[in-house]
Amino acid sequence: NAGVIQTPRHKVTGKGQEATLWCEPISGHSAVFWYRQTIVQGLEFLTYFRNQAPIDDSGMPKERFSAQMPNQSHSTLKIQSTQPQDSAVYLCASSSFQNTLYFGAGTRLSVL
Amino acid sequence: QQQVRQSPQSLTVWEGETAILNCSYEDSTFDYFPWYHQFPGESPALLIAIRPVSNKKEDGRFTIFFNKREKKFSLHIADSQPGDSATYFCAASANNYAQGLTFGLGTRVSVFP
Repeated sequence: NAGVIQTPRHKVTGKGQEATLWCEPISGHSAVFWYRQTIVQGLEFLTYFRNQAPIDDSGMPKERFSAQMPNQSHSTLKIQSTQPQDSAVYLCASSSFQNTLYFGAGTRLSVL
Repeated sequence: QQQVRQSPQSLTVWEGETAILNCSYEDSTFDYFPWYHQFPGESPALLIAIRPVSNKKEDGRFTIFFNKREKKFSLHIADSQPGDSATYFCAASANNYAQGLTFGLGTRVSVFP
């Protein structure tokens, strides 16, 4: 079991460009979560899917952020028109019915 | 609005002492309270968790104390070891994950030999 796989590990974008982050959950896990981690804000919940359906996106900035889970083996987080304040480590986690979140290594996004 | 408040922001203890980390919450629908730890350069990982049916949960040197009336819970690390040095996050969720897990801002624990 390779755990939760996130790609890329690092991404550098220019202001205004688009960034797409990928997550492959642990096989058999029914829930996928996206979090953003910064020094100031800590671990911020963004959105989560269960059985590929969006359940709670209350943490997603509405205008430029979107997330999808087209199949049970991957989820994407897309940020349009990236801004410097989007710079953070984006963490994907998956969970089975037991509720424990297993986090991936994260994608460090740097917006110049 | 921070739904889960955590204190202190940082904590230094000597090896062998008990480290105490505190959290409080506001949402009375929260029914699952885990603690995660994160070592430098790594991702958060579950340490221990409790549900409100209990007011105490132990796992080795780690104990959660839960006070439903006051909406507070704490993590006690007994006999602290230098290897326990990490950032610890408390968290809460409601209705069996009808909502995402909400984390506190973390406590950076440093254990000196």
